Amino acid sequence: QKEVEQNSGPLSVPEGAIASLNCTYSDRGSQSFFWYRQYSGKSPELIMFIYSNGDKEDGRFTAQLNKASQYVSLLIRDSQPSDSATYLCAPYVGGGGSQGNLIFGKGTKLSVKP
Amino acid sequence: DGGITQSPKYLFRKEGQNVTLSCEQNLNHDAMYWYRQDPGQGLRLIYYSQIVNDFQKGDIAEGYSVSREKKESFPLTVTSAQKNPTAFYLCASSDWGNQPQHFGDGTRLSIL
Repeated sequence: QKEVEQNSGPLSVPEGAIASLNCTYSDRGSQSFFWYRQYSGKSPELIMFIYSNGDKEDGRFTAQLNKASQYVSLLIRDSQPSDSATYLCAPYVGGGGSQGNLIFGKGTKLSVKP
Repeated sequence: DGGITQSPKYLFRKEGQNVTLSCEQNLNHDAMYWYRQDPGQGLRLIYYSQIVNDFQKGDIAEGYSVSREKKESFPLTVTSAQKNPTAFYLCASSDWGNQPQHFGDGTRLSIL
C-alpha cells in the first residue's frame, strides 16, 4: 500500500512568516514530487514540483526533497492571507513501463492570519 | 486558451439512474485521469487512460465506467451500482510519464 502522510493541520501562521509544510511517503520508487494548492471548493492547482534531492526555489516557494528519508517539504516565505488553502503533496509512482500515477496525501490546511 | 473543461459544474442523480460527467482537454496530453474527492479527504483515483481506446482501473473503480474514443475526451459514467456517489469529481490530464497533472474545475454530484 503506497501511502502519503501529511499533517492535516490547520497550520496557522501570522502574515509575513514562513510556513513549513511537510510530507512523508512510503514508496521508495517515487521519482518526483508535486505540490498542489487547493482553495476551498476549488480544484487543485500545481504550484511546485521537484525531481532531485535538495532545494528548488520558485518565487516565495521552496520545495525540499530528501529521498533517503522519504521526506519532501514546501516552504512559503512571506506568507500572505491569500496563501490560506489546503496544500496537497503528490509523489509520482512509476508504472514499470506503463503510465504511472500520482498518489495524493490528504493535505495540510494552512491559515495565514493578517 | 489551453485547458481542461469539465461539465456540468453541478449534477443531481436520481435513484437507479446513470449519469455521465464530461471532460475535454485541448492541451494535447496523452494521459487523462478521473479522481473523486470527499469532504476533508484526499483525491482517490477512479480510472486513468494512457492512450486512446485504452484505460485502467484506479483504486475505486467499482460503480464507474469510462471510455476514451478521442484523445481530447474522457467521459466518466457514474452507474446506479455506485451506492454513495455524492462527491467532487475531478478530471486531470498530463503528458506521458513523469509529468505534472493539470486539473479541470470539477463537477459536484449529489443525490436527489
